[in-house]
Amino acid sequence: RKEVEQDPGPFNVPEGATVAFNCTYSNSASQSFFWYRQDCRKEPKLLMSVYSSGNEDGRFTAQLNRASQYISLLIRDSKLSDSATYLCVVQGGGGSYIPTFGRGTSLIVHP
Amino acid sequence: ETGVTQTPRHLVMGMTNKKSLKCEQHLGHNAMYWYKQSAKKPLELMFVYNFKEQTENNSVPSRFSPECPNSSHLFLHLHTLQPEDSALYLCASSHGTANTGELFFGEGSRLTVL
Repeated sequence: RKEVEQDPGPFNVPEGATVAFNCTYSNSASQSFFWYRQDCRKEPKLLMSVYSSGNEDGRFTAQLNRASQYISLLIRDSKLSDSATYLCVVQGGGGSYIPTFGRGTSLIVHP
Repeated sequence: ETGVTQTPRHLVMGMTNKKSLKCEQHLGHNAMYWYKQSAKKPLELMFVYNFKEQTENNSVPSRFSPECPNSSHLFLHLHTLQPEDSALYLCASSHGTANTGELFFGEGSRLTVL
């Protein structure tokens, strides 16, 4: 089983839609979780951290489910500018704090 | 001025060439990383340096040789590469390697090996 798994997509949605991505991780001792965004031919940038209680930043909501070992990202009222690849990142557990990246989920928002 | 700067942005080299990628961070961070990003694959960690000391070598072939002269600079020396080494090489930095927090990436060096 891969350490961090994501559906690569692409998710093709119209403007204004709500879309959700899931990410599963294999290391139950993992401690920190993040969503990064990577635009085409650009570097990844932190979108938001994921906290145990869940957290929201504007149109973006992140959730963590430790029992089932997955995190989710919900995007409401999608904008054209949300088109990007969303990378799930898991860190910690087993004495290592090195972040492990998923392969990313591609989102395409169309008019 | 961007936080993490990588040069060159694009590099084309033959299999017998020797070249180097350079990374510089202006964020006062102590940890620096090299990642490889190939099409349709997750980012692959290559090397980690913390306070100039290498703390991770993720089974990277010896044709890739990192160098970290100080906490602000990181190099990746390349020699006798293979076409399958063609990829985007991303440098990143963070405050440290314990509870890393956010990684700050450079724009990457896109390498093509002919």
